[in-house]
Amino acid sequence: EIVLTQSPDTLSLSPGERATLSCRASQSFCSNYLAWYQQRPGQAPRLLFYGVSNRASGIPDRFSGSRSGTDFTLTISRLEPEDFAVYYCQQHCQQSGSSPPSYTFGQGTRLEI
Amino acid sequence: EVQLVQSGGALVQPGGSLRLSCTASGFTFSGYWMHWVRQVPGKGLVWVSAIKSDGGDTFYADSVKGRFTISRDNAKNTLSLQMNSLRADDTAVYYCTKDDWSGSFDNWGQGTLVTVSA
Repeated sequence: EIVLTQSPDTLSLSPGERATLSCRASQSFCSNYLAWYQQRPGQAPRLLFYGVSNRASGIPDRFSGSRSGTDFTLTISRLEPEDFAVYYCQQHCQQSGSSPPSYTFGQGTRLEI
Repeated sequence: EVQLVQSGGALVQPGGSLRLSCTASGFTFSGYWMHWVRQVPGKGLVWVSAIKSDGGDTFYADSVKGRFTISRDNAKNTLSLQMNSLRADDTAVYYCTKDDWSGSFDNWGQGTLVTVSA
């Protein structure tokens, strides 16, 4: 079972600053299938990135996603007020063609003002 | 515009049953896997179940296996989750989500609250 560990749990920054959120996977298998979501209070999650670094439709380019081995990073270059939210990483994995797929979320990082 | 409109959340007693529904529009429903994801208020996201595009295969988290059944009606563009033997720890907001073919969830319903309590 893949475990995703996000850090930090809470990140306190100001508008205009740069935010760096991390997500570490316990296994390297399926590392290409990593997504990031943003969830604002009272709203459903919104897909930001799929396949590590592919920006979803409508996501501003101040958001970027990257990977180094089993460490994944979501970067927000210059924070806007609407960016303060909770961010989740998520991985999809199927170890072999005959095994069931797994879908795992990290515990989330709260980005607060 | 893709829309996933959910219904069916309620307060139910432990051991009871409930059926959640999700009506899809704005895309070819029969071409995509669909999922249910839940979230205890104030906590993180947890994947619950998935169903292949043709309904031929279904998958469940261990915590709900044997109690929940996911299904779909491609003629009516609807996704369902039948929940039986409900427990207090099933209390959560349940989201239906659309798979983007890579195992990411690119569209989400508005969420529906299921409360299991006596």
